[in-house]
Amino acid sequence: DQQVKQNSPSLSVQEGRISILNCDYTNSMFDYFLWYKKYPAEGPTFLISISSIKDKNEDGRFTVFLNKSAKHLSLHIVPSQPGDSAVYFCAAGISSGSARQLTFGSGTQLTVLP
Amino acid sequence: EAGVTQFPSHSVIEKGQTVTLRCDPISGHDNLYWYRRVMGKEIKFLLHFVKESKQDESGMPNNRFLAERTGGTYSTLKVQPAELEDSGVYFCASSQSEKQYFGPGTRLTVT
Repeated sequence: DQQVKQNSPSLSVQEGRISILNCDYTNSMFDYFLWYKKYPAEGPTFLISISSIKDKNEDGRFTVFLNKSAKHLSLHIVPSQPGDSAVYFCAAGISSGSARQLTFGSGTQLTVLP
Repeated sequence: EAGVTQFPSHSVIEKGQTVTLRCDPISGHDNLYWYRRVMGKEIKFLLHFVKESKQDESGMPNNRFLAERTGGTYSTLKVQPAELEDSGVYFCASSQSEKQYFGPGTRLTVT
């Protein structure tokens, strides 16, 4: 059973508009969340993260929102650029204890149309 | 600063053969992870080293997979004997905190 879910396998957005990528999780033990971007034939690249003590984190064009009660997070990209076209993975982790692996969603392919 | 590197980038082997993947983490990172992505699905955890010790190997599929990290620097992941279902992209990541840095991956194809 997947603990981190990205229900939209793909998303197309016009250049300059907002891209919103969604992620849901089921494990209430997760206390930090990350978004990674992946281009073909490359490894995932860290984009932005958020701790469970916050509900928003912003870095330039990228903002991550966390709704703990709904176990939902989203990544907003404003404005979207063609270079943002990539697969975006949501990941979650538990900071306490010895288990430090990340649990990933299946990814969302974002296509930004010029 | 050099990132995480992995070798080889691609490997094509026949069922029953042995393959060894290598990962060089970012210098100074004590934590090293192996993950696998199969058939374009989610990236799944395989195991976690802290320095040379296996901290968590709960994601290893079976005993055909053997990971080592002698000396706490680079790590190897051996698959012996390889099966068709082992095909996928194997990623290595390293970290000193919650943020993990990934290598480019090794694409393994078992025919």
